[in-house]
Amino acid sequence: AQSVTQLDSHVSVSEGTPVLLRCNYSSSYSPSLFWYVQHPNKGLQLLLKYTSAATLVKGINGFEAEFKKSETSFHLTKPSAHMSDAAEYFCVVTLYSSASKIIFGSGTRLSIRP
Amino acid sequence: NAGVTQTPKFQVLKTGQSMTLQCAQDMNHNSMYWYRQDPGMGLRLIYYSASEGTTDKGEVPNGYNVSRLNKREFSLRLESAAPSQTSVYFCASRNGTGIFYGYTFGSGTRLTVV
Repeated sequence: AQSVTQLDSHVSVSEGTPVLLRCNYSSSYSPSLFWYVQHPNKGLQLLLKYTSAATLVKGINGFEAEFKKSETSFHLTKPSAHMSDAAEYFCVVTLYSSASKIIFGSGTRLSIRP
Repeated sequence: NAGVTQTPKFQVLKTGQSMTLQCAQDMNHNSMYWYRQDPGMGLRLIYYSASEGTTDKGEVPNGYNVSRLNKREFSLRLESAAPSQTSVYFCASRNGTGIFYGYTFGSGTRLTVV
């Protein structure tokens, strides 16, 4: 069965320190993977996506993610957190076998301490 | 600004009442989707429309109906609202159904059924 697991429901970091949001997936096929961000009372915005090209993907606002097939992971990172990064982040997998079916992770809430 | 527009933003219904959530996109996207977001469960697909004139059930379609009125508009109807339908509803669109396409989301409708 295909699934996506976000390993932390809540991550808190200090401003200026690195961010790591973890995502593992399970898929029988080569997936496409996405990270979305949702600020309070807003819709979801696409941060970045992996579609079988380069394994290190750069997104908006300084975020990047690395696809590691051997670890079935697609962790989101940022070198230096900013207060405006406080939001909820969703890891999403799209299944090759069913193009209309995507699976959302349960989300990770990122808090930034001054 | 180009994007996905949802109305209303907030709604309170009594059990048994009906209502229609409206969604329109101006990006000429072929595919449109309705999701619901509940705490700790990520987003779950209710219905989708891969192209104008077609609609299909998603993961949690019970209690809902949809209409793809034209290429721009995709509405979600609750015929007899139940407290279990209290949620935040997101409409989304993308240019195709292939796995490489990311989604553009609306800002959501927060629905409370009492």
